[in-house]
Order: sequence, then C-alpha cells, then structure tokens
Amino acid sequence: GDSVTQMEGPVTLSEEAFLTINCTYTATGYPSLFWYVQYPGEGLQLLLKATKADDKGSNKGFEATYRKETTSFHLEKGSVQVSDSAVYFCALSDNNAGNMLTFGGGTRLMVKP
Amino acid sequence: DAGITQSPRHKVTETGTPVTLRCHQTENHRYMYWYRQDPGHGLRLIHYSYGVKDTDKGEVSDGYSVSRSKTEDFLLTLESATSSQTSVYFCAISESKGSGLAASTDTQYFGPGTRLTVL
Repeated sequence: GDSVTQMEGPVTLSEEAFLTINCTYTATGYPSLFWYVQYPGEGLQLLLKATKADDKGSNKGFEATYRKETTSFHLEKGSVQVSDSAVYFCALSDNNAGNMLTFGGGTRLMVKP
Repeated sequence: DAGITQSPRHKVTETGTPVTLRCHQTENHRYMYWYRQDPGHGLRLIHYSYGVKDTDKGEVSDGYSVSRSKTEDFLLTLESATSSQTSVYFCAISESKGSGLAASTDTQYFGPGTRLTVL
C-alpha cells in the first residue's frame, strides 16, 4: 500500500537558517503530493502541493519539487522565522476516487530567535 | 478559510460510554473524512463519506461508526469508548474536479479538531 516517510523531529533552527525537511513516498501510479502545516492548537492547513513529476509547489517562501526518480518531495525554505514553528506533514493522494490522503508522521520545527 | 466546524472541541468521558463527535461544513463539498492524530502516527483515516448515506472504512475503523444524513453533517460515534481512543480527531472535506477519467484530486480542508480523553 501507499506510505509516506518523513524525517523525525524535532528540528531546531535559529532564525534565518535554511530549512530542509525530507519526505519520501511509496505509491502505485502517479500520486499527488502535499505539505500541510499545523500550528499549535489548530487544524492542518495546506501549505503547498504538486500534482505531477517535476512540478514545484511554493507558498510563503516554502518550496518542494516532485521528484519521481527519487520518489521524494522535500520541503525547503531559505530563511526561517520564529513564526514558522509548527508541525509539518507530508502527504500523498494516489488520485483514488475518494481523494484519500496518506500522511507521514509529521516533523516538528522549532525556530529560535 | 473553509467553513468547517467540529463539536465539541474538548471532551472527557469514561470507558464504556458512547460518544458522538459532529463535523459541520458550509461548503457543500461531496467528500468528508474523519481522522485521528496520535504522536508518531501522523493522521490516520477512520472513515470517509462520498455522499449522503454513502460511507466507507478507512485504515483504523474498528470501534467507530459514522453517519451522514445530509450533505453538511458527518457524525463519528464511538459506541463504547476505550482508553485507546484517547486522541485528537480531525474532520476534513474535499471536492473532486471533473468526472470519470478526467476526475482529479482536490485539496482536503481540515476542521479545528476535537480533543477526546477517555478515562
């Protein structure tokens, strides 16, 4: 079945540091890939997505490129802020009829001033 | 923000009691989902619905039932709560674009969550 693996946290960075959160997946066919962010006490919000190979999703300074050859969708940001502290989830949908998502375990990011 | 509300937001109950969580949407989306979130597991799908009275099981459906009698409401019921069902429960909604071979995945939008504690 489908699965998503992302690096375990917590990841602790200083403000303005470069961020990478690794995400790899296993799926049949050509899934769509997503990054969701969860701020403390809130639900998940879509951060970015990519629906086909070599697509780059971007939002709020975050980027991720759909790499089919390495089955990866790593999240990057050039300069993190304290306000980016949150839990980040990588997810895939294999474009099934129910739009069902398979999530990774989540990575907590802590950014210190 | 998508119009999704969950009630209650917090609940403490005792083992063996029935519990019902409600998800309400104002977006008229076709699909609705219930997930549970536990440390180290991300979110796992419990049940989902693809229309009124149309539901199916997810990855962790044992001990849970659902009902959808109208488009805007999706209820999750724990018939006899157990301590292993202590978790944070999230509802989500989505809509498909197109149909048949042209159908494509659309984004899921999440509610604020319900924290359930079973003592």
